[in-house]
Amino acid sequence: AQKITQTQPGMFVQEKEAVTLDCTYDTSDPSYGLFWYKQPSSGEMIFLIYQGSYDQQNATEGRYSLNFQKARKSANLVISASQLGDSAMYFCAMTGNQFYFGTGTSLTVIP
Amino acid sequence: GAVVSQHPSWVICKSGTSVKIECRSLDFQATTMFWYRQFPKKSLMLMATSNEGSKATYEQGVEKDKFLINHASLTLSTLTVTSAHPEDSSFYICSASGPGLALRHEQFFGPGTRLTVL
Repeated sequence: AQKITQTQPGMFVQEKEAVTLDCTYDTSDPSYGLFWYKQPSSGEMIFLIYQGSYDQQNATEGRYSLNFQKARKSANLVISASQLGDSAMYFCAMTGNQFYFGTGTSLTVIP
Repeated sequence: GAVVSQHPSWVICKSGTSVKIECRSLDFQATTMFWYRQFPKKSLMLMATSNEGSKATYEQGVEKDKFLINHASLTLSTLTVTSAHPEDSSFYICSASGPGLALRHEQFFGPGTRLTVL
């Protein structure tokens, strides 16, 4: 069964606008972690943000914030003030017996 | 943060030859290393998990005799693609985790190796 679902294969956003990338997950484990990674065309996986299942507040890292809705099992990534350099693939991942990755969302920032 | 390196970053080889890819944790002890394969525009597919000093655990459908994994020390794991064929061409990424990172079960990723088999 798929653990992580990213329903947006591709997204476009105007430069300086905010964008939300969707991620839903499925687990029965009360303790888990959720990660977002950025993968530019160079291929490296760049860690963006982490949310623990017991964290009371939504995680924020600079222009990145995670909209964590535990009851809905969603962990959407919000990028504020998009920049051209934000164009990349974005992967949501969850800890468990292994790292479960979503299928990714390709974000293109339009000047 | 923890740093993981991979070498080489890209390699081109002839069909039938073997290729070794190294994954090193530079500033922490990696008790567990993971090897992923990624096709263009696709997600990462876990190939195997290796714990230092023991045999790797391969995911279903991954040929252990074709993809040899060795995790001989706490800072180095190697993936050897034996008798490579064009269908083995892909982007291979390693990641590592260690006891100090257990709180978040976080994995730190290497920069990847792009393998092209002619």
